[in-house]
Amino acid sequence: QKEVEQNSGPLSVPEGAIASLNCTYSDRGSQSFFWYRQYSGKSPELIMSIYSNGDKEDGRFTAQLNKASQYVSLLIRDSQPSDSATYLCAVIGGSNYKLTFGKGTLLTVNP
Amino acid sequence: DAGITQSPRHKVTETGTPVTLRCHQTENHRYMYWYRQDPGHGLRLIHYSYGVKDTDKGEVSDGYSVSRSKTEDFLLTLESATSSQTSVYFCAISESSVSQNYGYTFGSGTRLTVV
Repeated sequence: QKEVEQNSGPLSVPEGAIASLNCTYSDRGSQSFFWYRQYSGKSPELIMSIYSNGDKEDGRFTAQLNKASQYVSLLIRDSQPSDSATYLCAVIGGSNYKLTFGKGTLLTVNP
Repeated sequence: DAGITQSPRHKVTETGTPVTLRCHQTENHRYMYWYRQDPGHGLRLIHYSYGVKDTDKGEVSDGYSVSRSKTEDFLLTLESATSSQTSVYFCAISESSVSQNYGYTFGSGTRLTVV
């Protein structure tokens, strides 16, 4: 069973702080990694993708991938109350095109 | 969500009745997926399609069937609805190449209640 694990939280940070979200995966053949944001009652929205070891930055978001440790993380700098949502880690393994999701981490940014 | 629509948005149905949910895309993407989302379980794949008339099962396919007669439409049918199928159902589409996957785009979801 290919698994994606996330801390369910809730993770609470003050406005302006760095929020750090973590994810581990079990399938060593995984090649594509994604972070989705989901507001309450809404659909998941893709915010970051990463395919190679290292860091990838997009505005206030940085995704980090370490394939040797089977670890993916998302950093949100200068956190805003509007970042309050559930963040879903998702992984595609091997040659298939099916995303496996973690259960998500609820982030709350306090003004 | 641009390019992908689900219908209906909300539905209440009785136990034992058949229910069909529709996903329609205007992106001409090859891959389409049905997920359900439940508290404590996250998003779980029900069925997916990799082309017209080409479908396969996901991890929670029991009690569900799908059909894809056109590129743009992917239908999910609950053959005889049960209370355990009360959930939020999401359709997703993806454009992928052999070398890279670009992630999925999700529809707005269908909230289904089986009473």
